[in-house]
Formats: sequence, C-alpha cells, structure tokens
Amino acid sequence: QQKVQQSPESLIVPEGGMASLNCTSSDRNVDYFWWYRQHSGKSPKMLMSIFSNGEKEEGRFTVHLNKASLHTSLHIRDSQPSDSALYLCAASIQGGRALIFGTGTTVSVSP
Amino acid sequence: DPKIIQKPKYLVAVTGSEKILICEQYLGHNAMYWYRQSAKKPLEFMFSYSYQKLMDNQTASSRFQPQSSKKNHLDLQITALKPDDSATYFCASSQEARGSDYTFGSGTRLLVI
Repeated sequence: QQKVQQSPESLIVPEGGMASLNCTSSDRNVDYFWWYRQHSGKSPKMLMSIFSNGEKEEGRFTVHLNKASLHTSLHIRDSQPSDSALYLCAASIQGGRALIFGTGTTVSVSP
Repeated sequence: DPKIIQKPKYLVAVTGSEKILICEQYLGHNAMYWYRQSAKKPLEFMFSYSYQKLMDNQTASSRFQPQSSKKNHLDLQITALKPDDSATYFCASSQEARGSDYTFGSGTRLLVI
C-alpha cells in the first residue's frame, strides 16, 4: 500500500479560484511533510514544508498539518495559469533518510 | 546556474546495454539521492548517500549501482537495461539533517528500446 496518499487525482480550478489538495500518510512513524510542485517536463521544486501542527502561509499558498491524523493539506488561493502542475506530497519516516512521495494531484487552472 | 547538474538530459539505450547517469551538486550538501519517475509509478526513492557512503537502498535489482567518486558526485550505473527501466531519473541532494529540504536536479530521461 502506498504510504503517502493524495487526493484528488486531478483538479480543475478557475483562474482566481481556490485549489485544495489533500495528503495522508498510513505510516505512524512519519515525522515531516513537504509539498513539491512539478511542471510538465521539469523537476520537482519544493513549495513548502510543515513539521508542526497548525498552519503555515507563504504568499498564496497555505499548508495545514494535523499530526494526530497524519493529514496535511495545501491550499492555493487566487490560482494562476502558472499554477497548473503536478503537486506532490512527500513525507519522511523517523529513522529514514528517504522522502516518500505520493502519486500527486494534477492541478489545471483554466483562464 | 543550475545547482545540481545531471548528464545527459536524454538517453536512448538498447536493451541489454549499460549506461551511466551523471550527477554533480554544487550546493555544499552532504547527502545525495537517486529517484526514478515513470508513467506507471510515482516518484520512487532508489538510493541515499551520506558523506559518500551508501545509507539506504530501496532498489531490488543489483543492476542499479550508485557510484560516488567525489563528495559532490553521485553517478548511477545501470546494467543489462530493460524497456521497463525507461523513466526519468532524478538526482537530489540535501543537508544531512532531519527535516532538511531536498533539491532536485533536472533529470535524465532514459528510453530503453
């Protein structure tokens, strides 16, 4: 079973709208979460990380984390066409070095 | 300037042949990684190196061998190539500390025919 699950698989958002993406881990040993964005044909670029319960905001991006449920969410407000990309959630497991990635959510922002 | 250089960008190989994918990072990081991404699977962790030592290996096949000749180099040798090896291979690096951000290279797209 995939240790990091993301939903939805894909999302269409109108320009200027809000995109909400979810990520949950099935491994109780997860300690940190990251969100990466990958434009088509490019490499993943780190958007935000979150390690503590609560909320973190950077510009148009907000992430939430609930460590008890191992759930994180990413919200993109005032979505722009340039936000169209694959959004990857990643988690690290205590004692391990690897980042484990989910299958991603493809966001398409329609003008 | 790219901080992680991967060569080549594109590679076409014949089934059964051997190739080496090159990765050099100029971020001063002491941990390096290889990941693979294909249409069939998500970004998949393969290896981690710390201070030029292999720390984690999640690749079942011995056909994949990482090689670290210098602190900022981590190459990937793939032998007896199969069409299923077709994927984009990403090198990444980070500081060797919990919670450190990863930076990814631009990737090598490998097609095995």
